[in-house]
Amino acid sequence: DVKVTQSSRYLVKRTGEKVFLECVQDMDHENMFWYRQDPGLGLRLIYFSYDVKMKEKGDIPEGYSVSREKKERFSLILESASTNQTSMYLCASSRSKGSGKLFFGSGTQLSVL
Amino acid sequence: GESVGLHLPTLSVQEGDNSIINCAYSNSASDYFIWYKQESGKGPQFIIDIRSNMDKRQGQRVTVLLNKTVKHLSLQIAATQPGDSAVYFCAENGDSSYKLIFGSGTRLLVRP
Repeated sequence: DVKVTQSSRYLVKRTGEKVFLECVQDMDHENMFWYRQDPGLGLRLIYFSYDVKMKEKGDIPEGYSVSREKKERFSLILESASTNQTSMYLCASSRSKGSGKLFFGSGTQLSVL
Repeated sequence: GESVGLHLPTLSVQEGDNSIINCAYSNSASDYFIWYKQESGKGPQFIIDIRSNMDKRQGQRVTVLLNKTVKHLSLQIAATQPGDSAVYFCAENGDSSYKLIFGSGTRLLVRP
């Protein structure tokens, strides 16, 4: 089975801190994604990557950046955390272009105080 | 605008009954649709998908129906079990090869 691992289950940070969320997948998938999930809003795409060192903005990229130096790892960076970035963050991967079958990690609940 | 919506935010069913979760989509360019299940404390999990050249697809205890005329998608779960209690999301591909558009989710509660 595909395994997508997110480094932290819960994080508490202060406003203005730089925050790194790490995600690793073990199935050699080409595509990786970062979503945030908020009650009543479903999943919203922040950034995605379809290849190493490639990245594309999703629907809500403001305040975030990403890094994909290796195929298996996709990092989400909050340069200066704000309270409105308190959310559940979900990482996902998929095999290739056009594959809608995403494999999700268990999520990181980030609280920014 | 592009959106994926759900008619019922919460659905409560008796164990053993069939469940039907509905979803409306608005992007005519979408040709691929997926249902995901999210249990408490976990990430969403793929259940079943369907392409626009089909109107029905069956899996194990689940059936997805697609009505392109009215832009409607439904997930049917047969003989609903307590383990089916979760939030269910529909998603569509819009006009992208990479991105999915997710609905806001429907919570399914199974009464014993």
